[in-house]
Amino acid sequence: DSGVTQTPKHLITATGQRVTLRCSPRSGDLSVYWYQQSLDQGLQFLIQYYNGEERAKGNILERFSAQQFPDLHSELNLSSLELGDSALYFCASSVLGDSYNEQFFGPGTRLTVL
Amino acid sequence: AQSVTQPDIHITVSEGASLELRCNYSYGATPYLFWYVQSPGQGLQLLLKYFSGDTLVQGIKGFEAEFKRSQSSFNLRKPSVHWSDAAEYFCAVGAKAGNNRKLIWGLGTSLAVNP
Repeated sequence: DSGVTQTPKHLITATGQRVTLRCSPRSGDLSVYWYQQSLDQGLQFLIQYYNGEERAKGNILERFSAQQFPDLHSELNLSSLELGDSALYFCASSVLGDSYNEQFFGPGTRLTVL
Repeated sequence: AQSVTQPDIHITVSEGASLELRCNYSYGATPYLFWYVQSPGQGLQLLLKYFSGDTLVQGIKGFEAEFKRSQSSFNLRKPSVHWSDAAEYFCAVGAKAGNNRKLIWGLGTSLAVNP
């Protein structure tokens, strides 16, 4: 158990819908990272927050957005969902803001878009 | 642009046999390199990382990796595999993300262990 929690574990929704994925980092970790894992593209970095502020951006679509709240939990919002958004979404956390620090991953949220 | 290639999609070894998982990177400067492992149904866990210095890096769970600049490789090795090592292994290289940094990931190598 990494100490990172993600909810829900599974999510099934329809195209065009909007969903919110939630992540609670390990106690004391200030950084949260979001990743998308799919069979064809592998693990893709989406976005990083550090102590409430956006720190780094990866391949995040404009339909996706994220935020980190004062209690350091984070939410990833996915809107206008498409079939291709079906994937496993991971959240990770680290103590500091550098992504080269060890990242601790949650168990993931599996999103299925029908 | 930085990239990581893991040439082997799937590898099967017998328990007790040695293991080498290949990783090749593309990066202009001295790379920062990582190996993570993903056990079934779990998130990823850091095995080891290379930033500088000794090119042979020791990690957790008995794993080691060797950085070879001339071959642009960072292969992961273990002398004797255990059944619990069956998992997905990911190599990653550090890259710039604006004024900050991010990890670029390989597609992973799935390891199966025969009893």
